[in-house]
Amino acid sequence: DVKVTQSSRYLVKRTGEKVFLECVQDMDHENMFWYRQDPGLGLRLIYFSYDVKMKEKGDIPEGYSVSREKKERFSLILESASTNQTSMYLCASSFPLPGTGFNTEAFFGQGTRLTVV
Amino acid sequence: DAKTTQPPSMDCAEGRAANLPCNHSTISGNEYVYWYRQIHSQGPQYIIHGLKNNETNEMASLIITEDRKSSTLILPHATLRDTAVYYCRFNAGGTSYGKLTFGQGTILTVHP
Repeated sequence: DVKVTQSSRYLVKRTGEKVFLECVQDMDHENMFWYRQDPGLGLRLIYFSYDVKMKEKGDIPEGYSVSREKKERFSLILESASTNQTSMYLCASSFPLPGTGFNTEAFFGQGTRLTVV
Repeated sequence: DAKTTQPPSMDCAEGRAANLPCNHSTISGNEYVYWYRQIHSQGPQYIIHGLKNNETNEMASLIITEDRKSSTLILPHATLRDTAVYYCRFNAGGTSYGKLTFGQGTILTVHP
């Protein structure tokens, strides 16, 4: 069974803390993604990576950074957590269609519900 | 960005077919359409994808119009467990190379 695993299901952090959200996939996928999901706003892309050490900004990168030191692992970092970063965070991975670079079907983790107090 | 348009919500009676539309008028000739669903508090799950021809698998059927500007996901006999948010997407090329974005999706509610 293919798997994308997020390190925590629920997380509570204090304002100003540095927060790491970890995601691991076992499918040897090149592409990995971080989203946040808030009621009424759908899935919003924060950052994505198409290779080790490569990253691209998504639609809402402010206040976040990412790290991809190994192909299977993609970390989302909140440098100084704030209450407006309270959200559900979802990680996904996919592989690119040869010759086009288009993403094929994406596999998602179960999500991390982060609360910043 | 690759834009899709879906109705925000739909209702369906249990046992009836649920037909979920998606408009993707800017899709290009070699881009696939993908459908996902998200059950409350879980990550989205891939359902089906297609390019030109209609597709069917154990979960659903996908009908793509001849001009490829829209598609319909069909759940032939909806159950209460099909209550979820359904997303369609296609790939973004050009300046959005590699990006994977989703629209707002359709909230499908299946009633007893």
